[in-house]
Amino acid sequence: AQSVTQPDIHITVSEGASLELRCNYSYGATPYLFWYVQSPGQGLQLLLKYFSGDTLVQGIKGFEAEFKRSQSSFNLRKPSVHWSDAAEYFCADLKAAGNKLTFGGGTRVLVKP
Amino acid sequence: DGGITQSPKYLFRKEGQNVTLSCEQNLNHDAMYWYRQDPGQGLRLIYYSQIVNDFQKGDIAEGYSVSREKKESFPLTVTSAQKNPTAFYLCASKGLAGISDTQYFGPGTRLTVL
Repeated sequence: AQSVTQPDIHITVSEGASLELRCNYSYGATPYLFWYVQSPGQGLQLLLKYFSGDTLVQGIKGFEAEFKRSQSSFNLRKPSVHWSDAAEYFCADLKAAGNKLTFGGGTRVLVKP
Repeated sequence: DGGITQSPKYLFRKEGQNVTLSCEQNLNHDAMYWYRQDPGQGLRLIYYSQIVNDFQKGDIAEGYSVSREKKESFPLTVTSAQKNPTAFYLCASKGLAGISDTQYFGPGTRLTVL
């Protein structure tokens, strides 16, 4: 069975510092991977997605993620966080049959001034 | 403006009552989904539909029901059989032209059982 793990429940980072959020997947076939962001009380917005090709994926809001098959990871990074990046971040992978997403438990990011 | 609307934003229900959450999309997407979100558990799939008049159970369908009579609408009913219905409910939709199509989310409905 496929699963997605986000090891960090909370991360606190200072404004201007770099951010890295971890995501590990477990699925035998080529994964289709996503990162979404959710502001409090809101729906989810897609940051970026990986399907194939270049393993470094650029997204919106200055985010990027790197797919590493050897580590079964798809970590999200941002070089310099802004206060507006405080939110919850979800990693997900797509099961082709049924077009269903499986989500990790999420990582809540707090940004200190 | 294209998008997904969910109503109401907040919903209160007494124990033992059924309640229906609305989800409408004008993106002309074929597939629609309902998720439940609880703190620390991410999103869990309740039901999904890839075509009108057809739908499938997700991982936590017990106590819920859906219908898909129109392409743009996918209402979710939370029945009295759902033991712990207080949660944030998110609706999503997706085109089926290709595997890489993005799944878009509505703003959510927060259901509280009193």
